[in-house]
Amino acid sequence: DTAVSQTPKYLVTQMGNDKSIKCEQNLGHDTMYWYKQDSKKFLKIMFSYNNKELIINETVPNRFSPKSPDKAHLNLHINSLELGDSAVYFCASGTGPPNQPQHFGDGTRLSIL
Amino acid sequence: KQEVTQIPAALSVPEGENLVLNCSFTDSAIYNLQWFRQDPGKGLTSLLLIQSSQREQTSGRLNASLDKSSGRSTLYIAASQPGDSATYLCAVNFGNEKLTFGTGTRLTIIP
Repeated sequence: DTAVSQTPKYLVTQMGNDKSIKCEQNLGHDTMYWYKQDSKKFLKIMFSYNNKELIINETVPNRFSPKSPDKAHLNLHINSLELGDSAVYFCASGTGPPNQPQHFGDGTRLSIL
Repeated sequence: KQEVTQIPAALSVPEGENLVLNCSFTDSAIYNLQWFRQDPGKGLTSLLLIQSSQREQTSGRLNASLDKSSGRSTLYIAASQPGDSATYLCAVNFGNEKLTFGTGTRLTIIP
């Protein structure tokens, strides 16, 4: 029944490693997003994909690479993890037109040692 | 620059009281505004969505208002309960395919 699901829920890894976070939505939405919530709880958009095409790419380091194999999935791969990457990463989905609510996953808590 | 601000950052209210959470935004040309609730260690739950053409939306004990001309929205919670304790986030869609979030108000309802 989960509308937007992310895995893993927790991710603890060492600096310099490469890791991926997966996201899937079963709402039939065309648009998916990645947001980052920092230690001060501030949420900020990172990427947005519409029908597998990148439409938003905020000023995110190129160590972060989103991949959308189909419109129901948007994965986030992070290379050469740094201490500052520690945060909660939220996946969301929406219908694309700006008059509908976005639905969020439960977040992935990434901790860099 | 399009920004969203929520003041205060934290609020404590005795159980049973009505309360208002505030959200302000810098650009009145918005598409919609969404209020979310976030419980500790959890994801975001959408509470209410107000379109730019609407003045308010209601769901149960919650009422959200929108005044575009003044760049403000409020979330009114009636007859507060301990279960309402959470962080409340305001997010604005300025029409650029993304949500711009405020920093949130951490609400504590005192039994």
